[in-house]
Amino acid sequence: EPEVTQTPSHQVTQMGQEVILRCVPISNHLYFYWYRQILGQKVEFLVSFYNNEISEKSEIFDDQFSVERPDGSNFTLKIRSTKLEDSAMYFCARGPGPEFYGYTFGSGTRLTVV
Amino acid sequence: EDKVVQSPLSLVVHEGDTVTLNCSYEVTNFRSLLWYKQEKKAPTFLFMLTSSGIEKKSGRLSSILDKKELFSILNITATQTGDSAIYLCAPGGSQGNLIFGKGTKLSVKP
Repeated sequence: EPEVTQTPSHQVTQMGQEVILRCVPISNHLYFYWYRQILGQKVEFLVSFYNNEISEKSEIFDDQFSVERPDGSNFTLKIRSTKLEDSAMYFCARGPGPEFYGYTFGSGTRLTVV
Repeated sequence: EDKVVQSPLSLVVHEGDTVTLNCSYEVTNFRSLLWYKQEKKAPTFLFMLTSSGIEKKSGRLSSILDKKELFSILNITATQTGDSAIYLCAPGGSQGNLIFGKGTKLSVKP
């Protein structure tokens, strides 16, 4: 059983629509991260989330993006007004703390914007 | 600006060969360097290296870090077709985010 489950595994959306990607970590960790990987390119950091607050974000993570942990369990990434260039694999990762031991990635959500 | 350079970008070998994958980095407030294997989807964890000169081993894979020269290598001995994947090097800084290289695509032919 995966330690970090992401849903959906694949989402197709029309340009301009909003999407919500979900991550369900099984273990009780405090640190969560979102990364994305555009097809054929490297994995890029988006945002880190600690204790229900954003602790660090990259230049990619602009006002179009937001993260929440609405019920203390699920961890969501919302992308407003999607663009074609948002098409990518989005990975959630979790960590036990500001160290890297046990830094585990979820199975990913493939987002396709048409 | 943080930078991670992996080499070679791709490599084709035959089963039984030994390969060495390289990773050089420049990362602010470096803490650890992680190696991942990526096949179809998510990166799967291989090693975490924090101290220089201490080799980590797992079966036919091993890795070592040189914090003075800012590089790491990943060795795979007696390669098998199942080793075919993209190998990602990802040093991490104090904020907990990983900076990924472009990866080395390894193809192992029977």
